Amino acid sequence: AAGVIQSPRHLIKEKRETATLKCYPIPRHDTVYWYQQGPGQDPQFLISFYEKMQSDKGSIPDRFSAQQFSDYHSELNMSSLELGDSALYFCATGRLTTNEKLFFGSGTQLSVL
Amino acid sequence: DAKTTQPPSMDCAEGRAANLPCNHSTISGNEYVYWYRQIHSQGPQYIIHGLKNNETNEMASLIITEDRKSSTLILPHATLRDTAVYYCIVRGLYNQGGKLIFGQGTELSVKP
Repeated sequence: AAGVIQSPRHLIKEKRETATLKCYPIPRHDTVYWYQQGPGQDPQFLISFYEKMQSDKGSIPDRFSAQQFSDYHSELNMSSLELGDSALYFCATGRLTTNEKLFFGSGTQLSVL
Repeated sequence: DAKTTQPPSMDCAEGRAANLPCNHSTISGNEYVYWYRQIHSQGPQYIIHGLKNNETNEMASLIITEDRKSSTLILPHATLRDTAVYYCIVRGLYNQGGKLIFGQGTELSVKP
């Protein structure tokens, strides 16, 4: 069965660079959620989209932005990277209008040097 | 903020049942209880969810108290591969945009 696909799996950047993380949902999923998980921390909600519109916002820095495209994939754009941005970034997808579970991708490990 | 309280860690002997408790005393009538687990550095994995009735699937059973203020996840025959952090999450479809808010979770160690 198709799963949530995230790319890249690993990313190494230097301070002040930019990074783009991508998330491809399971077919017919209309909602995407982005999470950040620092070392030894629990996943923290960043932002979500429903039907290509931002639906909720969490602790996402102003340096980060995201969007959901017409094919429902989503991209998280991170600029002026800082050392503290090093973390695992997960996306989860689902269908908001049902009580179905959310499915998570394998994550992108971002390392800022 | 997370709306659940879980013990930070638990041990379980391999082959025995693991019973993981969760308190969610402020749960609303339309909020579901979800359980996910995360094995080191992997994406969280769905286990089970429920509203007010007990639920069972191939992975686990979920027991929700009648007042819905607490629940217990039961892994009937724990294996070493069940070692993970287990998250109990209260999820509202519309009042929070359907997002999952992760709290501290319980680190379950299954020992031989």
